[in-house]
Amino acid sequence: AQTVTQSQPEMSVQEAETVTLSCTYDTSESNYYLFWYKQPPSRQMILVIRQEAYKQQNATENRFSVNFQKAAKSFSLKISDSQLGDTAMYFCAFMREYGNKLVFGAGTILRVKS
Amino acid sequence: EPEVTQTPSHQVTQMGQEVILRCVPISNHLYFYWYRQILGQKVEFLVSFYNNEISEKSEIFDDQFSVERPDGSNFTLKIRSTKLEDSAMYFCASRRARESYEQYFGPGTRLTVT
Repeated sequence: AQTVTQSQPEMSVQEAETVTLSCTYDTSESNYYLFWYKQPPSRQMILVIRQEAYKQQNATENRFSVNFQKAAKSFSLKISDSQLGDTAMYFCAFMREYGNKLVFGAGTILRVKS
Repeated sequence: EPEVTQTPSHQVTQMGQEVILRCVPISNHLYFYWYRQILGQKVEFLVSFYNNEISEKSEIFDDQFSVERPDGSNFTLKIRSTKLEDSAMYFCASRRARESYEQYFGPGTRLTVT
C-alpha cells in the first residue's frame, strides 16, 4: 500500500519570503501522480499543483513549484513571494496510474506572517 | 468555472439517526468520490463511484454507508445509523475521465453527531 509522509506539522514564513514544504512517499509503482492541495480555514480543498511521475520536468503554477525527485521518492512544494492568503493546511497526495483514490499525507500547517 | 457543490454545509444529528449528504459534481465528470476528514486528522478515502456502481471502497465504508446517484446530477452519501465517531468533514470530489487524473473537491459538509 502507498503511504505519504509530511514530516513538518507546522511551518511559518514571513510575507514575501520563500518556503518549502516537504513530502515523501512510498510506492512500488513506476508511474503515478502527485498533488499538493491547499485547505484554508474555510476547509475547502483546493488543488494547487500536480506532477506526473513520468515527466522529469518539475511542475510550476505561478508562485508554486515542486521539486520532484523520483529516485528519492520526494515531492516538495516551494512557495515563492509568500502572501497572507497562502496561510492554510497543505496536503501532499498520491494516486496510482489508473488508480481511483487519493492517498493523503497528514498535512503541514503554513502560517504566513506580516 | 464549474465547481462541485455540497449541501448542507453543516448537519447536526443525534446518534442512531440516518443522514444523507448531497453533492452535485461537475456536470461532465464521470467519476465521483467521498472522502472524510476527522477534525485534526488526514483526509481519508471512503468510496469511489463510476458507471452507477461502486468501483472501490475503503475499510471505513462498512454496511452503515451507502452511495447513490439518484438522477443525472446528484451524488449522495447515506449513513444509516450515525455514531459519535462519524463526526467529521465529508468531502465530495469528481473527476472528468479515467485519463484525466485530477480530482476537484466540494466545500465539504461538516457532520456533527451528538
